[in-house]
Amino acid sequence: AQKITQTQPGMFVQEKEAVTLDCTYDTSDPSYGLFWYKQPSSGEMIFLIYQGSYDQQNATEGRYSLNFQKARKSANLVISASQLGDSAMYFCAMREASNSGYALNFGKGTSLLVTP
Amino acid sequence: DAGITQSPRHKVTETGTPVTLRCHQTENHRYMYWYRQDPGHGLRLIHYSYGVKDTDKGEVSDGYSVSRSKTEDFLLTLESATSSQTSVYFCAISEEWGANQPQHFGDGTRLSIL
Repeated sequence: AQKITQTQPGMFVQEKEAVTLDCTYDTSDPSYGLFWYKQPSSGEMIFLIYQGSYDQQNATEGRYSLNFQKARKSANLVISASQLGDSAMYFCAMREASNSGYALNFGKGTSLLVTP
Repeated sequence: DAGITQSPRHKVTETGTPVTLRCHQTENHRYMYWYRQDPGHGLRLIHYSYGVKDTDKGEVSDGYSVSRSKTEDFLLTLESATSSQTSVYFCAISEEWGANQPQHFGDGTRLSIL
């Protein structure tokens, strides 16, 4: 069964607008970590933001924030004031004890295009 | 940026040939991982290492072997490459064992098997 679900294959947003990328997850482990990565067209994987299952507050890193709704098992990424350089693939991922080696379990990604 | 170097960055080879990909890190992290990325699948774990000479299998380990003789190097070997192993391969490192640490990735190796 898919552990991380990203339901938006592609998204468009206008420059300077905010955008929300959806992520839902499935786990029975009380301790887990949720991560978002950015993959630009050049191919590298860039860590953006982390949310722990026990964290009471939503994580923020600059223009990135994570809207964590534990009861709904969702961890949506919010990018404020979009920039052209934000155009990329975005992956939601989870680490938990049931993953071999605490490896990351990735969603299939959302392609974001920021337009002028 | 985490000091992770993957080599080669690109490789084209023929079916049946052996291929070795190298991941070198300068962060002295204990945990290292190999993933492959294919369209429609996100990234999937091939093998991981939790210390020198300590490795284990991941979700898609068939056809791959790994070795780690030094903290800084983690090698991925395709003993006899097949076309289904055409993919982008990423190495990742992690400082700690647990759910609350990010993994940092190398820039990837694009491997084409003809």
